[in-house]
Amino acid sequence: SAVISQKPSRDICQRGTSLTIQCQVDSQVTMMFWYRQQPGQSLTLIATANQGSEATYESGFVIDKFPISRPNLTFSTLTVSNMSPEDSSIYLCSVVPVRSSGAFFGQGTRLTVV
Amino acid sequence: DQQVKQNSPSLSVQEGRISILNCDYTNSMFDYFLWYKKYPAEGPTFLISISSIKDKNEDGRFTVFLNKSAKHLSLHIVPSQPGDSAVYFCAASARGGSEKLVFGKGTKLTVNP
Repeated sequence: SAVISQKPSRDICQRGTSLTIQCQVDSQVTMMFWYRQQPGQSLTLIATANQGSEATYESGFVIDKFPISRPNLTFSTLTVSNMSPEDSSIYLCSVVPVRSSGAFFGQGTRLTVV
Repeated sequence: DQQVKQNSPSLSVQEGRISILNCDYTNSMFDYFLWYKKYPAEGPTFLISISSIKDKNEDGRFTVFLNKSAKHLSLHIVPSQPGDSAVYFCAASARGGSEKLVFGKGTKLTVNP
């Protein structure tokens, strides 16, 4: 497994602003992902964070709205840009540790946009 | 197109009894399946997984069964405890779990004392 630290754990933001969420892992991982869970819904993959290159986005998600960085093997950030109330969700960082199958999750960031 | 389906949004069982949570999938490329438990205000916690080369995997009170021909898996919890009350997500992945996960919508389990 891996210990995943995700910050902030929650925030209330004004519409039109941006929030950057950080994900730090205590060990090297092969894959890092960012998910979103809207109220009452399942987890939806936003993008795969690639080390040293542009993230791979899923259908319906674009880099201008959700820029992602991954400068090294253990750290990534997700920015939610130009927020609207529809962006109110839980955002989750997920990692696949080296020599492991399956993913582990951070505690999530509960975002409320007002 | 929902590739992973959990058709029961909720399940209620008595403490000490068996809880059975079901999951169906449609994508034949999936070869690795996982169950997660999620409490409110927390991230999902990995519970148990199974590779498509197996039909059963057991870990303590938790057993996952896989029926590849039916594209169906289930999670059995025996005996159920009140602390098991949470939302349970089924997830599937290709390439042995190294690919992205596709989640079902979850089943809310309530275990009554």
